[in-house]
Amino acid sequence: AQKITQTQPGMFVQEKEAVTLDCTYDTSDQSYGLFWYKQPSSGEMIFLIYQGSYDEQNATEGRYSLNFQKARKSANLVISASQLGDSAMYFCAMRDPGYSTLTFGKGTMLLVSP
Amino acid sequence: DGGITQSPKYLFRKEGQNVTLSCEQNLNHDAMYWYRQDPGQGLRLIYYSQIVNDFQKGDIAEGYSVSREKKESFPLTVTSAQKNPTAFYLCASSIGAGETQYFGPGTRLLVL
Repeated sequence: AQKITQTQPGMFVQEKEAVTLDCTYDTSDQSYGLFWYKQPSSGEMIFLIYQGSYDEQNATEGRYSLNFQKARKSANLVISASQLGDSAMYFCAMRDPGYSTLTFGKGTMLLVSP
Repeated sequence: DGGITQSPKYLFRKEGQNVTLSCEQNLNHDAMYWYRQDPGQGLRLIYYSQIVNDFQKGDIAEGYSVSREKKESFPLTVTSAQKNPTAFYLCASSIGAGETQYFGPGTRLLVL
């Protein structure tokens, strides 16, 4: 069974600094996908970034990048130049072997201060 | 604007009553999903549907039922058999199974 682990219950960063949110995963499959979502206090889940297991380069989307280390089974989210609006819960998720559904981690709460 | 709508945003019900949560999408997505989120927890999959008139149980389907009669609609019924229904419910859709999922705003259900 797949498992996603986010070991940081909460992170605190000052505005304009970079922050890394950790995600490790456990799977025996060679082909898989990893996703990061943001959940602000309103509750809606917002897709941020995707990394495929066979992608040769780390994914980037604007201020978001994914530090993908396949051998270590980690897919950490890096947010550069944090903004106050980045304060939210962040969830890492993995696509299951049947390519149908996602397994989510428990999330990390990020607080950005002025 | 294309998107996913869930209604209502807040829902209150008495214990023992069935309640149906609405989820509609106009993204022309084939796959739709229902998740449950409890405080301080990640999302857990209740049901998913890859195509009209077909759906599969997720990890926590007991006490829930769904239908998929139309491509754009995937309502979730929380039955009286669900022991602890108070939670935040999120609906999502994707172009196809395994593709990136996009979420609606969610419904907070409180059973008194």
